[in-house]
Amino acid sequence: QKEVEQNSGPLSVPEGAIASLNCTYSDRGSQSFFWYRQYSGKSPELIMSIYSNGDKEDGRFTAQLNKASQYVSLLIRDSQPSDSATYLCAAQISGAGSYQLTFGKGTKLSVIP
Amino acid sequence: DTAVSQTPKYLVTQMGNDKSIKCEQNLGHDTMYWYKQDSKKFLKIMFSYNNKELIINETVPNRFSPKSPDKAHLNLHINSLELGDSAVYFCASKQGVGTDTQYFGPGTRLTVL
Repeated sequence: QKEVEQNSGPLSVPEGAIASLNCTYSDRGSQSFFWYRQYSGKSPELIMSIYSNGDKEDGRFTAQLNKASQYVSLLIRDSQPSDSATYLCAAQISGAGSYQLTFGKGTKLSVIP
Repeated sequence: DTAVSQTPKYLVTQMGNDKSIKCEQNLGHDTMYWYKQDSKKFLKIMFSYNNKELIINETVPNRFSPKSPDKAHLNLHINSLELGDSAVYFCASKQGVGTDTQYFGPGTRLTVL
């Protein structure tokens, strides 16, 4: 059973702080990992993808991947109230299953002004 | 131009009715998906089509039947609607296999009374 686990939150951080979102996955065959942001009543939108161990930075966002520990994280620096949303972690395996993403249940982030 | 569109946006219906949701993508993608997001925000894959062929068919009641008339369209027909079918249904698409990003439609909120 392929699973992606996230702490459902809510995670509250003050404006300007670093928000740290964590995700673990069960399938060692997972090769690609994605973070989606979903505002209330809206559809998920991709904010970061990561495929190799280590860090990947894009503006205020940094994704971290540790395949040995089966762990993915997303750091949001200088958090803004507009970052308040649910963040979905997703994993994709290679090969025949590479069409399919498995999503976690999401972590709700609240950035307090 | 909207990349992935769904109709209708809202659907309210009685138990036992049959309804359809339509999805169209203008991105030229080969692969399309239907996801169900329940009240707890868990996003779960239902079906996937690649070039009009069914490639993913998760454990979904056979009251749900997807149809892909061409690779730009994937429709979802639901027979004998039940209260538990109430959810937001998202269509998504991506280009082929591998690590390409999935793009989500705006969602259809189905309410079964």
